[in-house]
Amino acid sequence: AQSVTQLDSHVSVSEGTPVLLRCNYSSSYSPSLFWYVQHPNKGLQLLLKYTSAATLVKGINGFEAEFKKSETSFHLTKPSAHMSDAAEYFCVVSDVKNTGNQFYFGTGTSLTVIP
Amino acid sequence: DTGVSQDPRHKITKRGQNVTFRCDPISEHNRLYWYRQTLGQGPEFLTYFQNEAQLEKSRLLSDRFSAERPKGSFSTLEIQRTEQGDSAMYLCASSLFGTNTDTQYFGPGTRLTVL
Repeated sequence: AQSVTQLDSHVSVSEGTPVLLRCNYSSSYSPSLFWYVQHPNKGLQLLLKYTSAATLVKGINGFEAEFKKSETSFHLTKPSAHMSDAAEYFCVVSDVKNTGNQFYFGTGTSLTVIP
Repeated sequence: DTGVSQDPRHKITKRGQNVTFRCDPISEHNRLYWYRQTLGQGPEFLTYFQNEAQLEKSRLLSDRFSAERPKGSFSTLEIQRTEQGDSAMYLCASSLFGTNTDTQYFGPGTRLTVL
């Protein structure tokens, strides 16, 4: 079965400092992994995706994530936080082959950026 | 490409009433998904279509819920005899199955409040 655990429900960083949002996954097969961001009153926006190509994935707005199979992790990072990064972030696992690409969402991490 | 659209954006109804939501996917996308998101949680899968065929339904989708995609384009989600527990954000997503990533693109959601 597929599942995602986001290890922090809330993360607070100062503007200009690094961001780390942690995600561990469980999958019986070779997963696809995604990070989505949800700003208040807006739809989910894709940040980046991993689909068995390069393990270090670069996304939009300076975010990147590294797939580590041995640790079953897919942590999201950004070198320098911006005020506009404040939002809810969701880690998602999908198994295209066996579940019709059903997405399994984590419970989300709320990122606060302090000026 | 105008993205995934959903209508209405907000719906307030009284317990016991029926409600219907509409989703218009990205035009060339053959897969369409419905999710439900409650406060403080990640979206949960409800059902998905490939073209007009409904291929999978979650056990969350009780018999009061029905979804259709009659011509393989837009979809409707109907909830009969609404209950207060149905209050949530209902999200629609679409994807192009057959590509190597099958990324899902989300609409802005319909927020349902059952009084």
